[in-house]
Amino acid sequence: DTEVTQTPKHLVMGMTNKKSLKCEQHMGHRAMYWYKQKAKKPPELMFVYSYEKLSINESVPSRFSPECPNSSLLNLHLHALQPEDSALYLCASSQMTGGEIFSDTQYFGPGTRLTVL
Amino acid sequence: RKEVEQDPGPFNVPEGATVAFNCTYSNSASQSFFWYRQDCRKEPKLLMSVYSSGNEDGRFTAQLNRASQYISLLIRDSKLSDSATYLCVVNQNAGGTSYGKLTFGQGTILTVHP
Repeated sequence: DTEVTQTPKHLVMGMTNKKSLKCEQHMGHRAMYWYKQKAKKPPELMFVYSYEKLSINESVPSRFSPECPNSSLLNLHLHALQPEDSALYLCASSQMTGGEIFSDTQYFGPGTRLTVL
Repeated sequence: RKEVEQDPGPFNVPEGATVAFNCTYSNSASQSFFWYRQDCRKEPKLLMSVYSSGNEDGRFTAQLNRASQYISLLIRDSKLSDSATYLCVVNQNAGGTSYGKLTFGQGTILTVHP
C-alpha cells in the first residue's frame, strides 16, 4: 500500500497562531519530505528527514519547524506565519533502498491546504 | 537556463488523440527520472519511472535519451480522465554530496475534450 496520510486537509490560521501539520506513512520508508506548492507552480522542497534525522533544510524560515517523532511520523510546526505562506503543503516519503536520499520514487500525501489570514 | 524545462502547454486534444510531452534537463549527472501527474488541487501521483531502454505502461510510453538530456512521455488513445498537469521530475546529483535532489519541471497542462 503506497499511502501517505496528512492531517488536516484544510487549515485556516491567523498570523499569531501556532498550528501543526501531520504526516504519516506505514510503508517502512526511511526518508520523509516536506514540500510547499503554490498555485500553478511545481512543488518546492522544504525539508528532508532520513532515518529520523534532519538531512536537508532548504533555507526555510524559522517560522516553519519540522519534527520527526519516529520513523512513521513527520510534523511541521507553524508559528507567526505570513499571508504569503498560504499554499498546499505536501508530505512525501521514499524507501532509500540505495542508502541515498532521493534515490527512490517518492510517494506524496494528499496535502494540507493552508490559508494564512 | 532552467534545470528541468517542459513545454507548459496547454495541450488541448480530442479523445483518442496521441499526445507527446517533452522535457530537457541541464545536469548531465542526473540519475533518476520520473513522470508524475497532478490533478487540480490534488497531490502529484507517480505515473512512471523512466529508464534508458524506454518503458511502456498500457497507453503510456516514456523514453530517456541521456546523450541529449531529453525525456519524453507519449500518451496514446487519450481519455477524458487523462486531463491533468504532467510533471517531469529529475533526480539531480548535488555535486559533492552523497545524494541528489529532485527537481520538478513547471508542468505541462493537458486537457482532453470529447
